[in-house]
Amino acid sequence: GAVVSQHPSWVICKSGTSVKIECRSLDFQATTMFWYRQFPKQSLMLMATSNEGSKATYEQGVEKDKFLINHASLTLSTLTVTSAHPEDSSFYICSAVLAGGADTQYFGPGTRLTVL
Amino acid sequence: DAKTTQPNSMESNEEEPVHLPCNHSTISGTDYIHWYRQLPSQGPEYVIHGLTSNVNNRMASLAIAEDRKSSTLILHRATLRDAAVYYCIRPYNFNKFYFGSGTKLNVKP
Repeated sequence: GAVVSQHPSWVICKSGTSVKIECRSLDFQATTMFWYRQFPKQSLMLMATSNEGSKATYEQGVEKDKFLINHASLTLSTLTVTSAHPEDSSFYICSAVLAGGADTQYFGPGTRLTVL
Repeated sequence: DAKTTQPNSMESNEEEPVHLPCNHSTISGTDYIHWYRQLPSQGPEYVIHGLTSNVNNRMASLAIAEDRKSSTLILHRATLRDAAVYYCIRPYNFNKFYFGSGTKLNVKP
């Protein structure tokens, strides 16, 4: 149980284009999902909190107009990287919260974004 | 700010127990302690979590100090597949996870 998927697993795009990444909780409903990114040889960095039916909240320093987050249902959150540039190349990982008690987060497998 | 402290790296021999320490001296009374591990190019994998009592599951055991300021993840018999970066996390500010640098575990055959 508690499986989270991401699509696509990797994507290569040209500079200036937009890329959408999907995060799905497959066997549970998640009112809260989180988005992280991870640069090579670094730890995960929290980008934003995605709450179903409301606007996402972004961590300090993360541009909300560049990283658009939509949490349209209890099983799906999307991250759109708008006008991507090479410095946005990173490993993007989502997590979904299994509600109740510890509020454990379950992570997706990640999406490797390469911007040329 | 991860608010947890872990050694950067540890090494173990295969089939021997491994004790991975974590300090979380500022943890509040209601915050759970979570442990995850991550292999290269993969998302973090849930290992175990606990609040006050020691916890066991099929992957590991979690020993939590009585004052809750530290905890130890115990892998009873390390295998080569256990080589990963292990993260100890305490939630902060509405259950957000701020990852530290974790402990890179190397398992020698």
